[in-house]
Amino acid sequence: AQTVTQSQPEMSVQEAETVTLSCTYDTSENNYYLFWYKQPPSRQMILVIRQEAYKQQNATENRFSVNFQKAAKSFSLKISDSQLGDTAMYFCAFMSFNFGNEKLTFGTGTRLTIIP
Amino acid sequence: GAGVSQSPSNKVTEKGKDVELRCDPISGHTALYWYRQSLGQGLEFLIYFQGNSAPDKSGLPSDRFSAERTGGSVSTLTIQRTQQEDSAVYLCASTKNPGTPEQFFGPGTRLTVL
Repeated sequence: AQTVTQSQPEMSVQEAETVTLSCTYDTSENNYYLFWYKQPPSRQMILVIRQEAYKQQNATENRFSVNFQKAAKSFSLKISDSQLGDTAMYFCAFMSFNFGNEKLTFGTGTRLTIIP
Repeated sequence: GAGVSQSPSNKVTEKGKDVELRCDPISGHTALYWYRQSLGQGLEFLIYFQGNSAPDKSGLPSDRFSAERTGGSVSTLTIQRTQQEDSAVYLCASTKNPGTPEQFFGPGTRLTVL
């Protein structure tokens, strides 16, 4: 079974600064996806970024980038030039590549507050 | 529809009552997932549908929980004889095909059992 650990329950940072959220995971599989989801107070889960484990290049989406260390089973999210709208819960999640087993396994989340 | 919708948005019920939660996936999405988010915790998987069948229902916490999907579209999660520990946000997600990595989530139903 896979596990996902987020060791930072809460973080805060000043607007326009850079913040890094940590995530580690445990799996015996070699092929999988990793995700960061954002959940604002509206409860809507929004996909921030996705990483395929077979890709060595770290994924980037505008101000969001990841540091994927497969051997260390680490998957951190960096938010650059943070904005007030980035305030939300952030969840790291794992999905197996195995067809028919596409459920997501989530960490417990990090509550991020951007301070004006 | 444009996105995944869920109803009701909020549900308050008394302990021992049965509740039904509804999920309308994105049109054409064949795979549907239910998750539960308890206070202060991450999301936990409940059940997965491919079409109308449920190949993985390993996350259902007890036999009081059941779900069905009809016409390959709408899904209903039913909780019988609700308990206070069932209080949580229940989220539904859909994907176009099995193996598609991105799951699109609905806004959830907040269930409160008094």
